[in-house]
Amino acid sequence: QKEVEQNSGPLSVPEGAIASLNCTYSDRGSQSFFWYRQYSGKSPELIMSIYSNGDKEDGRFTAQLNKASQYVSLLIRDSQPSDSATYLCAVNSPGAQKLVFGQGTRLTINP
Amino acid sequence: DAGITQSPRHKVTETGTPVTLRCHQTENHRYMYWYRQDPGHGLRLIHYSYGVKDTDKGEVSDGYSVSRSKTEDFLLTLESATSSQTSVYFCAVAPGQGNGQPQHFGDGTRLSIL
Repeated sequence: QKEVEQNSGPLSVPEGAIASLNCTYSDRGSQSFFWYRQYSGKSPELIMSIYSNGDKEDGRFTAQLNKASQYVSLLIRDSQPSDSATYLCAVNSPGAQKLVFGQGTRLTINP
Repeated sequence: DAGITQSPRHKVTETGTPVTLRCHQTENHRYMYWYRQDPGHGLRLIHYSYGVKDTDKGEVSDGYSVSRSKTEDFLLTLESATSSQTSVYFCAVAPGQGNGQPQHFGDGTRLSIL
């Protein structure tokens, strides 16, 4: 069983709509959660970090964390074609300075 | 910019040859990592380092070795490259201020083993 699971997509969203990306994790001891964006042929880029239950907003991005249900999500408001990328969810491995990555969700924003 | 440089950026080599990839950082971060990324598998940890001469294995360490003789450099070596090691390799770094810090990635090395 995978430790961090994401729907691989592709997820197709019209321009201007809200894109919703979801991630579940298996280790209840995890305390740190990250979203990375990866454009085709490029390296992963950190876009959001969240450590506490609830919502964290940064511009058009909102990360949501629910530790009881073991899921973390990323909302992208007013989606733009430039948001088309693969989004990776990463969760810390308790007791070690390591991250476990999901396989990523490929998001396409249609003009 | 996390000040990470990977070299080479691209390499094509033959099966059975040794290959060394270099990761260089300028921010004096304690932790350094090597990942490989393949379609259908996502990012998989090969080895990581938590200080000079301190390294540990990740989930896909067979066929790879690492060395860290200086804080700023982390080397990944394929002693005898195989076609299954064709992949994109990413180096990442993280500060040492406690568990659960985000990692920042270099630009990657595209390695082809023929």
